[in-house]
Amino acid sequence: AQSVTQPDIHITVSEGASLELRCNYSYGATPYLFWYVQSPGQGLQLLLKYFSGDTLVQGIKGFEAEFKRSQSSFNLRKPSVHWSDAAEYFCAVGARGTDKLIFGTGTRLQVFP
Amino acid sequence: ETGVTQSPTHLIKTRGQQVTLRCSSQSGHNTVSWYQQALGQGPQFIFQYYREEENGRGNFPPRFSGLQFPNYSSELNVNALELDDSALYLCASSLLDTGNTEAFFGQGTRLTVV
Repeated sequence: AQSVTQPDIHITVSEGASLELRCNYSYGATPYLFWYVQSPGQGLQLLLKYFSGDTLVQGIKGFEAEFKRSQSSFNLRKPSVHWSDAAEYFCAVGARGTDKLIFGTGTRLQVFP
Repeated sequence: ETGVTQSPTHLIKTRGQQVTLRCSSQSGHNTVSWYQQALGQGPQFIFQYYREEENGRGNFPPRFSGLQFPNYSSELNVNALELDDSALYLCASSLLDTGNTEAFFGQGTRLTVV
């Protein structure tokens, strides 16, 4: 079965601390992987995506993610979190040639000053 | 700003009624996908329209239906509304022909069924 698991429902960090959000996927074909961010009551904004090539991808707002095929993981990282990063983060997987995405249940990030 | 616009932004309907949600895709895009996001959950794929034809459907009943118009805008129709249909409905547009798909999402329509 195709699925995305985000094990951490809620994460709290202090401003300036490093961040890692976990994402594991189960997908039969070669996956396309995405991280989206959603502020309260808003739509989804794409942070970064992995299609092929270099397994470490850079995104907007200083985020990066690393694709590890052997672990079926695509974890999101940021070296220093800002208060404005507080939001809900969704990992998603899809197949080449389609944008029918399967989303995880999300991780809510809270940032303390 | 993604260039994908949805209307209305909020809507309250009564159980049993019908609702139509609208989405204008980003300029140059030919594909629209619809997602339902219940409170505290990730978005769930409803269906996709590519060049005015349905191009895949998720696990939603037939009372969820859609249309795509020649200008690639789209509508989502839900008949016989149930309380569980209360959710944020997201529309995403993309250009499927390129192979490297990237979906751009609108701000969503918040539907409340009472």
